[in-house]
Amino acid sequence: SQQGEEDPQALSIQEGENATMNCSYKTSINNLQWYRQNSGRGLVHLILIRSNEREKHSGRLRVTLDTSKKSSSLLITASRAADTASYFCATARMDSSYKLIFGSGTRLLVRP
Amino acid sequence: AAGVIQSPRHLIKEKRETATLKCYPIPRHDTVYWYQQGPGQDPQFLISFYEKMQSDKGSIPDRFSAQQFSDYHSELNMSSLELGDSALYFCASSLPGDKAFFGQGTRLTVV
Repeated sequence: SQQGEEDPQALSIQEGENATMNCSYKTSINNLQWYRQNSGRGLVHLILIRSNEREKHSGRLRVTLDTSKKSSSLLITASRAADTASYFCATARMDSSYKLIFGSGTRLLVRP
Repeated sequence: AAGVIQSPRHLIKEKRETATLKCYPIPRHDTVYWYQQGPGQDPQFLISFYEKMQSDKGSIPDRFSAQQFSDYHSELNMSSLELGDSALYFCASSLPGDKAFFGQGTRLTVV
């Protein structure tokens, strides 16, 4: 990965459970973004959190950011089978806002 | 709402041939990014443009070049294609420092 690691690499849960994915990065950032990707398809933007924010919510998504630990987490509550996808975090670095660097992704499987 | 448009969606080329991928960003977005994603891999940043000037460069091979035109569309030119260049190529656009919107990608297969 160009930026860091996502943890876990794969996650399998039952529909209705919560899913938590973590992302670590290496450099100081301007913002961190989470994306979702269905197999072989385009990346869909989920949520952006800026470096001066600690938590953000969007529907069933909750994102936290800890700049001291250089880490972020994405929580999907009450998961659905349709949430099955790969989830990536991407960081925009402080020295350049014009380069989004992706982590290695978490493959989420939500079993019906 | 208009999204990022990439063409072609699929492309098959032989080794040592040349390919040109096109990207039409969302209107009024002045930043364009290009990414390469191999099978089972995370997207790798190639290059970005801001206001038609190259702004950042990532792991883009010397065989590849890109530019952004006066109408803000961008093209990724790939020469002397190798089997390892087979991948999904994504373009994204954004306002500076804002969320990036991705196109559906071009699947390039080099045979």
